[in-house]
Amino acid sequence: NAGVTQTPKFRILKIGQSMTLQCTQDMNHNYMYWYRQDPGMGLKLIYYSVGAGITDKGEVPNGYNVSRSTTEDFPLRLELAAPSQTSVYFCASSYSGEADSPLHFGNGTRLTVT
Amino acid sequence: KNEVEQSPQNLTAQEGEFITINCSYSVGISALHWLQQHPGGGIVSLFMLSSGKKKHGRLIATINIQEKHSSLHITASHPRDSAVYICAVQNSGAGSYQLTFGKGTKLSVIP
Repeated sequence: NAGVTQTPKFRILKIGQSMTLQCTQDMNHNYMYWYRQDPGMGLKLIYYSVGAGITDKGEVPNGYNVSRSTTEDFPLRLELAAPSQTSVYFCASSYSGEADSPLHFGNGTRLTVT
Repeated sequence: KNEVEQSPQNLTAQEGEFITINCSYSVGISALHWLQQHPGGGIVSLFMLSSGKKKHGRLIATINIQEKHSSLHITASHPRDSAVYICAVQNSGAGSYQLTFGKGTKLSVIP
């Protein structure tokens, strides 16, 4: 199994540009998450999904959108990039949201908006 | 909202030393996660626990639910243990899959 795969690894955007961060998992996990990690801060939840067709906002959703058309894929869309969105983004998945279901993380996408 | 505090923020140890990283939280939880973030950035789940103690190789994680405190111990530390260790708590009840993360403890093990 490849686990959780994120692309791209690095990206530089100009202010106002758009992009999609891709995330796919091959473990048949129902729950998928997008986090951002800023220097010196804990990971913050952007959006999550509990199954295909179901998404909901996390702690810091502004400026982002997601979709979940299949169990495997959970792309994150930035519509109008702003410098405040410079961060490292992690996609993660888990089989369930229960306390016995560990998280599996992708390797991250380092995004710089200038 | 749960507040998660880790200590210390930074830790330098000599190879072979016994290491303890602490995590405290403010509100009752359903589970606590310990994660390891490698220098290259990837994050790996080390432990999930809701009570007692778990052991995997040289790593031991304990949790005291009453004290709202968890510790991660590394025995016979090695330079390859150098990483950032992150504590995350899973809240009880609705929205329990939304984790609250600590800021991490950066561990450097010197040969």
